[in-house]
Amino acid sequence: DAGVIQSPRHEVTEMGQEVTLRCKPISGHDYLFWYRQTMMRGLELLIYFNNNVPIDDSGMPEDRFSAKMPNASFSTLKIQPSEPRDSAVYFCASSFGAPRQGPQYFGPGTRLTVL
Amino acid sequence: ILNVEQSPQSLHVQEGDSTNFTCSFPSSNFYALHWYRWETAKSPEALFVMTLNGDEKKKGRISATLNTKEGYSYLYIKGSQPEDSATYLCAFNYGGATNKLIFGTGTLLAIQP
Repeated sequence: DAGVIQSPRHEVTEMGQEVTLRCKPISGHDYLFWYRQTMMRGLELLIYFNNNVPIDDSGMPEDRFSAKMPNASFSTLKIQPSEPRDSAVYFCASSFGAPRQGPQYFGPGTRLTVL
Repeated sequence: ILNVEQSPQSLHVQEGDSTNFTCSFPSSNFYALHWYRWETAKSPEALFVMTLNGDEKKKGRISATLNTKEGYSYLYIKGSQPEDSATYLCAFNYGGATNKLIFGTGTLLAIQP
């Protein structure tokens, strides 16, 4: 298996623009997580899906952020409009089962820079 | 607010020496404790998932112990090698949010040849 795939790996955009980050989880995994990593807050959970259904989006910073999972093999995280404070590395992770049952597998991340 | 603390924040160890560091978490409503290894410019990789008090897990030269009653886990590295240099993250899973992990800020380990 190729592991969790994320695209793009790097994104540089200007304030106000729409940004879409993409994730393909490991085949067969039923949980998908979106995390954001910053120097100030470390690795924080934004939203997670179970069987393609969003379960908890309490970590999403504000209405500018949205996430979808239209099928078991694809998810997107969208920021509209983007702001400089959104600059961070965004990771997607997937797992088979809940955290008590097994580890999460992380993608390579998307480094987002908003100018 | 649930707090997962790791100590020390950073550690410099001579190649060949053994080392250990700590993850502290709330002792109530425990479900699982994860350890991840995160090399610079890569993504976190799972080391261990621990669920039972007294659990000990081992992978090569790396091992971990778990004490859920007092809320801590130790990660040990025996005979450190340069390739062990990374940030080691622990993450706590609890009954109040059974599908979420709360990550600590990590211990940055640097092995000096």
